[in-house]
Amino acid sequence: EPEVTQTPSHQVTQMGQEVILRCVPISNHLYFYWYRQILGQKVEFLVSFYNNEISEKSEIFDDQFSVERPDGSNFTLKIRSTKLEDSAMYFCASSLPGQRYVFGPGTRLLVL
Amino acid sequence: DQQVKQNSPSLSVQEGRISILNCDYTNSMFDYFLWYKKYPAEGPTFLISISSIKDKNEDGRFTVFLNKSAKHLSLHIVPSQPGDSAVYFCAATRNNAGNMLTFGGGTRLMVKP
Repeated sequence: EPEVTQTPSHQVTQMGQEVILRCVPISNHLYFYWYRQILGQKVEFLVSFYNNEISEKSEIFDDQFSVERPDGSNFTLKIRSTKLEDSAMYFCASSLPGQRYVFGPGTRLLVL
Repeated sequence: DQQVKQNSPSLSVQEGRISILNCDYTNSMFDYFLWYKKYPAEGPTFLISISSIKDKNEDGRFTVFLNKSAKHLSLHIVPSQPGDSAVYFCAATRNNAGNMLTFGGGTRLMVKP
């Protein structure tokens, strides 16, 4: 069964540094998403991406965040200047219209 | 703003018995609901979904029930197996066409052998 993959699995960074989290969605999917889960809290929506543009974003997704689909396969989340509170598991997901969302295994980001 | 709530943080069930996980929502615009299972350090794995035009959907040992008037859904697992032990999240969305999922806080299910 096709999978969503994410790299790296773990990332440790210093506060104020930029990080880029990478995802390869399922190849024929059209919608792409980033979610995050802070330890012990809910899975929270960050952003959705369709037709090469952001279709929806949450309050969490401020100017420090950006997403890009630089080629036909990768989907990236960039955090320009990380804060301690950005420490979380970040999940990429993809879907087709009317079908279930498939999540990747996540990237654990730790900001020190 | 907890639009999707799972009021039981944990549930313990004996192997072979039924597990019932509950979920409540407040946003009447939600019309598509999903259940995901999550193991530690892994992404959520889709289990089963239901559209608001139905009140029941069944897939093997998993059945989801939707009560629109009560804004309540439940996931039944029968018979429960030790491998079912995980955190279960319900999620809701509007129109299931690329819209965001709103997740509940999760229920940790422990199935004892």
